[in-house]
Amino acid sequence: KAGVTQTPRYLIKTRGQQVTLSCSPISGHRSVSWYQQTPGQGLQFLFEYFSETQRNKGNFPGRFSGRQFSNSRSEMNVSTLELGDSALYLCASSFLTGNYGYTFGSGTRLTVV
Amino acid sequence: KNEVEQSPQNLTAQEGEFITINCSYSVGISALHWLQQHPGGGIVSLFMLSSGKKKHGRLIATINIQEKHSSLHITASHPRDSAVYICAVLVGEYGNKLVFGAGTILRVKS
Repeated sequence: KAGVTQTPRYLIKTRGQQVTLSCSPISGHRSVSWYQQTPGQGLQFLFEYFSETQRNKGNFPGRFSGRQFSNSRSEMNVSTLELGDSALYLCASSFLTGNYGYTFGSGTRLTVV
Repeated sequence: KNEVEQSPQNLTAQEGEFITINCSYSVGISALHWLQQHPGGGIVSLFMLSSGKKKHGRLIATINIQEKHSSLHITASHPRDSAVYICAVLVGEYGNKLVFGAGTILRVKS
């Protein structure tokens, strides 16, 4: 059974640009959640999608957005990139909720220069 | 004060030692997860607990809901256990938001 696939694995962007990251969940999983990991703040919840609806959002500015498609694949977008957005972005999929357990992707490492 | 506190932050052990990592939380939760992260970033889910105790190989996780405390034990530690161990609690109306501890960096020396 294929795992959670995140693309791309590495990305370098310039301040002010925007970026789109992709996450394909395990087949049958309908919940996709996104996390940001930085050395200073650790792991932080960004948002969670279920059946194309955002059910929960973390404390991040509106520059961070996401969506989920009918096949449960999800994308997150960061507009007007700042140096502080440099981080490892992880997604995780779950059958319905986190009470069913999570499977994490390998992450996308974003560097903003 | 963080909602999820882990201790210790760093831990160095000799191969074969018994290891304990602790996690305390201050919010209502629907479950608690123990995660392992190796260099390179990939995260593996070790346990999900809502009560009691779970065991998988040399790993044991316990949770005390009344005391809002969980422990992860590693018996007969091995250098391949070297990783960051992260406690995360599941909160939110839909049980869909993880709040993370800062992690424990474990190094097991041979």
